[in-house]
Amino acid sequence: GIQVEQSPPDLILQEGANSTLRCNFSDSVNNLQWFHQNPWGQLINLFYIPSGTKQNGRLSATTVATERYSLLYISSSQTTDSGVYFCAVAGEDSSYKLIFGSGTRLLVRP
Amino acid sequence: NAGVTQTPKFRILKIGQSMTLQCTQDMNHNYMYWYRQDPGMGLKLIYYSVGAGITDKGEVPNGYNVSRSTTEDFPLRLELAAPSQTSVYFCASSDRRRLAQGEQFFGPGTRLTVL
Repeated sequence: GIQVEQSPPDLILQEGANSTLRCNFSDSVNNLQWFHQNPWGQLINLFYIPSGTKQNGRLSATTVATERYSLLYISSSQTTDSGVYFCAVAGEDSSYKLIFGSGTRLLVRP
Repeated sequence: NAGVTQTPKFRILKIGQSMTLQCTQDMNHNYMYWYRQDPGMGLKLIYYSVGAGITDKGEVPNGYNVSRSTTEDFPLRLELAAPSQTSVYFCASSDRRRLAQGEQFFGPGTRLTVL
């Protein structure tokens, strides 16, 4: 099956700093999503981005499908950005069956 | 709308016991999913359903069973609980239009410990 690797595994930032999270995947996909899991365990959809670039406020994401990676950018980080960021993909044979990476744990310090 | 609700929130089981994790959604979504999240890991798909009466295996189905008799409910059954099933279980739902935009609605999770 498709392998999903995220880096870095852990990240500590000072409030106001910028960061880039990376997701590499091993095969062609037709579904790629970024999720945020807050410290209370709640999962929130951030982006659906199988290709191209999207922006939502301080967050943006870019997927280069031909090179099998996606990047999540967080600008001017805030303490509320803390949590775990997951990348999840689905192969071309089953766009509804998501395979999750192990996540990047982000801590933003005030 | 209450969204996706899961019960119980927490449960401790003894090895060999069985239980059913409940999941209900009130958004008339056809697609429903069960995931498990082990400590420090991402979610893994256990089972999913694309409509009432239709279920299919995900990545890690062994040790679990599901049924989908109604659109609203998608219970997950654990038979003969094992310590390896200690995890947080998330239920999610969506419909075709929202799935096409990559949107799933997640429940709050059930934290299960098997001792």
